[in-house]
Amino acid sequence: AQRVTQPEKLLSVFKGAPVELKCNYSYSGSPELFWYVQYSRQRLQLLLRHISRESIKGFTADLNKGETSFHLKKPFAQEEDSAMYYCALSGFLTQGGSEKLVFGKGTKLTVNP
Amino acid sequence: KAGVTQTPRYLIKTRGQQVTLSCSPISGHRSVSWYQQTPGQGLQFLFEYFSETQRNKGNFPGRFSGRQFSNSRSEMNVSTLELGDSALYLCASSSGVVRAVGEQYFGPGTRLTVT
Repeated sequence: AQRVTQPEKLLSVFKGAPVELKCNYSYSGSPELFWYVQYSRQRLQLLLRHISRESIKGFTADLNKGETSFHLKKPFAQEEDSAMYYCALSGFLTQGGSEKLVFGKGTKLTVNP
Repeated sequence: KAGVTQTPRYLIKTRGQQVTLSCSPISGHRSVSWYQQTPGQGLQFLFEYFSETQRNKGNFPGRFSGRQFSNSRSEMNVSTLELGDSALYLCASSSGVVRAVGEQYFGPGTRLTVT
């Protein structure tokens, strides 16, 4: 079954420390992977997509097809990075079906001062 | 461009009632998806509409239904409300074209409380 797994519900780090939010997926085809972020009292928004291969707000994510992972990393966490992070997969999840976006359950990141 | 808007923002209903939520997508976007967000289950996909047709559906009971109008605005209806339907309902729009489904723009949500 097509699935996105974020093994950590909660992640807490100190300011300036490296942070890695884990995401694993299962999908038989060629997926597109995304990270979405929801800051407190703000709407859910797209942070980055693997195809862009860009760094947004210091975050990067590399698609590892061998390990079926798409972990989100930042070398030096900032307090303003505290938010809920969702990994998502886009693909044709059923034979003959249309493209669909599937979200993981999310990881709440807290960056302590 | 104006963002995705949802009305109402807050709603309190009692068990057994029905409710209709509305979503206006970003201008030019033809796809509207609905999600239920709860602390325990996270984001759960309800359904997606594209050009007035339901294109994808999640695993929710038939009490949850939706529709899309010719101007791409969408409504979601929940009949015979249950306490467990209390949640934040999010609407998201995208262009809907192939390989762009993943780039969704979310509204602020409608907070539904069922008492």
